[in-house]
Amino acid sequence: DAGITQSPRHKVTETGTPVTLRCHQTENHRYMYWYRQDPGHGLRLIHYSYGVKDTDKGEVSDGYSVSRSKTEDFLLTLESATSSQTSVYFCAISQLQETQYFGPGTRLLVL
Amino acid sequence: TQLLEQSPQFLSIQEGENLTVYCNSSSVFSSLQWYRQEPGEGPVLLVTVVTGGEVKKLKRLTFQFGDARKDSSLHITAAQPGDTGLYLCAGAKVGGGADGLTFGKGTHLIIQP
Repeated sequence: DAGITQSPRHKVTETGTPVTLRCHQTENHRYMYWYRQDPGHGLRLIHYSYGVKDTDKGEVSDGYSVSRSKTEDFLLTLESATSSQTSVYFCAISQLQETQYFGPGTRLLVL
Repeated sequence: TQLLEQSPQFLSIQEGENLTVYCNSSSVFSSLQWYRQEPGEGPVLLVTVVTGGEVKKLKRLTFQFGDARKDSSLHITAAQPGDTGLYLCAGAKVGGGADGLTFGKGTHLIIQP
């Protein structure tokens, strides 16, 4: 299995607070991705990174920002959490833009 | 926008039965991946198919990539309760793209003992 960890694994927060989720890889893969998974919607891409300090928006980027200051870490920040951001968040990594390997996920509940 | 349609969305069958899950698109993909996801975990890669018409077998699972590289199927023979999970297909764009894969919404499979 690819070495990908996500932290925290579970988070409960209140509306309006900032939240940061961390993805850490030990595979030295170039590409990193943040998805959210919701019933009826499947996996939706939030942001992705194609190198250190190189990031771009995905399908559902509003309300989210990311940073990648080193190859192994990709941070997702909810600037001011809303109830609509309650979801399961997955990080994925890829070396060749094709096959992706996923982390275990973070369950976020925004009250 | 490239879309992948998976069918059926839900399938519940008895242990020992055979089943097929489909992944269809009007777009051509350079490769297609199948993942299985269990509750509380991330998707786990099962297989990647690259060549049109390609067939790959993984024990009781058979994966096929359509000749035109627009569709794929997953066939499970003699399903077992351990096959229960969410099956996702994902396609890689022709020519690549840093934004990665297009995912289907998945097929929820339940194998009853």
